[in-house]
Amino acid sequence: AQSVTQLDSHVSVSEGTPVLLRCNYSSSYSPSLFWYVQHPNKGLQLLLKYTSAATLVKGINGFEAEFKKSETSFHLTKPSAHMSDAAEYFCVVSNDYKLSFGAGTTVTVRA
Amino acid sequence: NAGVTQTPKFQVLKTGQSMTLQCAQDMNHEYMSWYRQDPGMGLRLIHYSVGAGITDQGEVPNGYNVSRSTTEDFPLRLLSAAPSQTSVYFCASSYPGQDTQYFGPGTRLTVL
Repeated sequence: AQSVTQLDSHVSVSEGTPVLLRCNYSSSYSPSLFWYVQHPNKGLQLLLKYTSAATLVKGINGFEAEFKKSETSFHLTKPSAHMSDAAEYFCVVSNDYKLSFGAGTTVTVRA
Repeated sequence: NAGVTQTPKFQVLKTGQSMTLQCAQDMNHEYMSWYRQDPGMGLRLIHYSVGAGITDQGEVPNGYNVSRSTTEDFPLRLLSAAPSQTSVYFCASSYPGQDTQYFGPGTRLTVL
């Protein structure tokens, strides 16, 4: 069985400050892990993916995530938030093509 | 490539009505799946298919039927819509052996 817990349902940051979105996972196998972003009334866009290569994964738009097996975590960070980062973010674990989504974290960026 | 396409974008049904949500992809992906998105719950897997003629249930299959007669198409059928099926539905697809899935734009369904 696999599952994902996103530790914050809502994160609010000021423009230009760092963003941290926390994700813990549970998986019986070596997991593939993803972060997806969904802007309001839009579909899902893949930010980045971890598949057992480098533990620090760089994605699009300046985002990166670090896989920590000992902590079963896959936190997403960005050094400097932009207004366009306001969206909902999903941490996802994959096993045999089947995806398990976290409940999502809504990011608000203050000017 | 058009990628993954879904029709319609919006739909309103009355309780008990039936309808089919369409999903198509032009990337020759073997794996296709349907998810529903509800507030505070992320996306949950309804049904999936690993190739033409092969389908299986996901986490929340009740009230939904699927079939896969071609590689390109994977329709989702609601035989008797219920208000609990009000949701946003996403279709996704991927290559064999790759777990990165590509999502369609979604269908927003309201059942009154």
